[in-house]
Amino acid sequence: DAGITQSPRHKVTETGTPVTLRCHQTENHRYMYWYRQDPGHGLRLIHYSYGVKDTDKGEVSDGYSVSRSKTEDFLLTLESATSSQTSVYFCAISGPTSDNEQFFGPGTRLTVL
Amino acid sequence: QKEVEQDPGPLSVPEGAIVSLNCTYSNSAFQYFMWYRQYSRKGPELLMYTYSSGNKEDGRFTAQVDKSSKYISLFIRDSQPSDSATYLCASSPLSGGQNFVFGPGTRLSVLP
Repeated sequence: DAGITQSPRHKVTETGTPVTLRCHQTENHRYMYWYRQDPGHGLRLIHYSYGVKDTDKGEVSDGYSVSRSKTEDFLLTLESATSSQTSVYFCAISGPTSDNEQFFGPGTRLTVL
Repeated sequence: QKEVEQDPGPLSVPEGAIVSLNCTYSNSAFQYFMWYRQYSRKGPELLMYTYSSGNKEDGRFTAQVDKSSKYISLFIRDSQPSDSATYLCASSPLSGGQNFVFGPGTRLSVLP
């Protein structure tokens, strides 16, 4: 899995609680991404990072925030989880030879009750 | 209309068959094209990456882009049961992973 780990791998939480998902890479790649995958929608970009402390919004960023304080770690936070955020979340990295070649982590399955 | 569309399948073929997986896209500015394979409960795995039109071959896999019809294809020769997975296509007008638009995926089942 290209040196990418995600934690936790599974989480069940209740509506209104904050949730933080972690992505850790050992490849020292510059770009990191958070996607969600839902049936019928494919992968949709939530946020991405192009360096330490450098982040930007993706297509479906409402209700999510991110932080990157170290090259290897990219955190995704759901400030107040809602049932519509029940999904599978994937972290990806790209680089150094091509920003177009993304490598994905194993995913985190999140259920918001 | 979604920017990248795929038939969700499932597509079932016998072992050894040639498989054709297809995507259509609506944005004529798209010029970067990717195919990913995703096994059940796993992350997507990059299979092929092409730029602009034409064919690209890697082992049993061939990616084909026809920009005039906005059509992307992935051919799998001598299909194996281990090819059973969901195949995602993605396209982008610009370089950079943040610009890619993914299709919903086609589920393929290769029967022994």
